[in-house]
Parts: sequence; structure tokens; C-alpha cells
Amino acid sequence: NAGVTQTPKFRILKIGQSMTLQCTQDMNHNYMYWYRQDPGMGLKLIYYSVGAGITDKGEVPNGYNVSRSTTEDFPLRLELAAPSQTSVYFCASSLPWSGGPQETQYFGPGTRLLVL
Amino acid sequence: DAKTTQPNSMESNEEEPVHLPCNHSTISGTDYIHWYRQLPSQGPEYVIHGLTSNVNNRMASLAIAEDRKSSTLILHRATLRDAAVYYCILREGTSGNTPLVFGKGTRLSVIA
Repeated sequence: NAGVTQTPKFRILKIGQSMTLQCTQDMNHNYMYWYRQDPGMGLKLIYYSVGAGITDKGEVPNGYNVSRSTTEDFPLRLELAAPSQTSVYFCASSLPWSGGPQETQYFGPGTRLLVL
Repeated sequence: DAKTTQPNSMESNEEEPVHLPCNHSTISGTDYIHWYRQLPSQGPEYVIHGLTSNVNNRMASLAIAEDRKSSTLILHRATLRDAAVYYCILREGTSGNTPLVFGKGTRLSVIA
């Protein structure tokens, strides 16, 4: 299993540009998540999805959009990039949580985004 | 969400045990205690979790206080590869889609 993969690894955007961060998992997990991590801080949840066609906002959704058309893919869209969106973005996936060790979250390697 | 309190940083010598504390005085009865760690330039990875009893796995041990208001992650022999930020997270145990809420964690430095 490749686990959770993210592309690109690094990207520089100009203010106002748009881009899509890709996330794919091959573990047949129902749940997928997008987090952002600013320097020296913990991760903050942007959006999450409990299955294909179902998404919900997290703590910091403004400026982002998501879609979930398949179990495997959960792309994150930035429509009008702003300097405040400079961050490292992590995608994660999991089975539904009910207390077992097999239901933990698996994280991708991250996408580093710089908006200038 | 119930909150956790961790020291900002800790230091350990290589091959010595490390005890990473976490306070969670407002924990509810259905909250599980999770530990994740984030190695430099990587995404977080699961370390261990527990509800009431102490837990052991190949990576670490988790000691949970009897009143559950605090817990300790124990690395039995720290290696240089264990240098990371360790996050203590409470997660409600009865809902399938409760996301993880990360604080700033404890940055562990391991000295050779």
C-alpha cells in the first residue's frame, strides 16, 4: 500500500491564482481530512469527508473548497490564493473511529505552499 | 473539545527513558487519549492511545492516571530518531467522525 499520497510536494503561487492540492489514499478508508500547519503551530482542520459525496467544514474552511467524488480522492481547491494561505497542507484518512487502534488517522507527507 | 496541556519542549539523552506528560483535567468519560508524533518535515503518525488502562505497543507505553486527568507517554529508550513533536489529543469515543484537534505539542530533543 502506498498509503496517503499528496501532490505537489511544493508550490509557489502568486496572489489571486488558483490551484488544487491532490490527495489519494489506497486503504479504502471512508474518512478523509485536510489540515493546514503554520510554522511552529499544531495542525488545524480545514475540511473533512465521511464518504463519497459528503463533506463538512472544519475549524478554518474560509478560502478553500473540497469535493469527494470517489473513496480514494479528496482534492482541496484554493480559488484566490492569499499570503495568509502560506502553510503546509496535510491530508489524512481513516476508518470510522470507535476506539480501536486500526481506526487511527494516517497522514500524507504534506504539500508546502508559498503565496507571494 | 476537551483541551490538553503539554510542556513546550523537553530534552533527553539517547538510550535513556523519556516521560512526556499531558494534563487533561476536563476529560469526559468517553474521551480517548491519543498520542501522535511528527518527525521533522513529515506528517504526523500515530503512536498510541488508551481510555482507562495503561497501554503498551512496540513504539511506546501510555500511563493513564487513575482519575484520568493526566497521562504520560513513555519512550523506554530514546533514540535520535525519536526527536519529534509529540501531540497529546483527546478524542470522543462514541462518534465515528470526530476529527483530531492538535495543540502545539511537546518538542522532544534527543542528545547523543
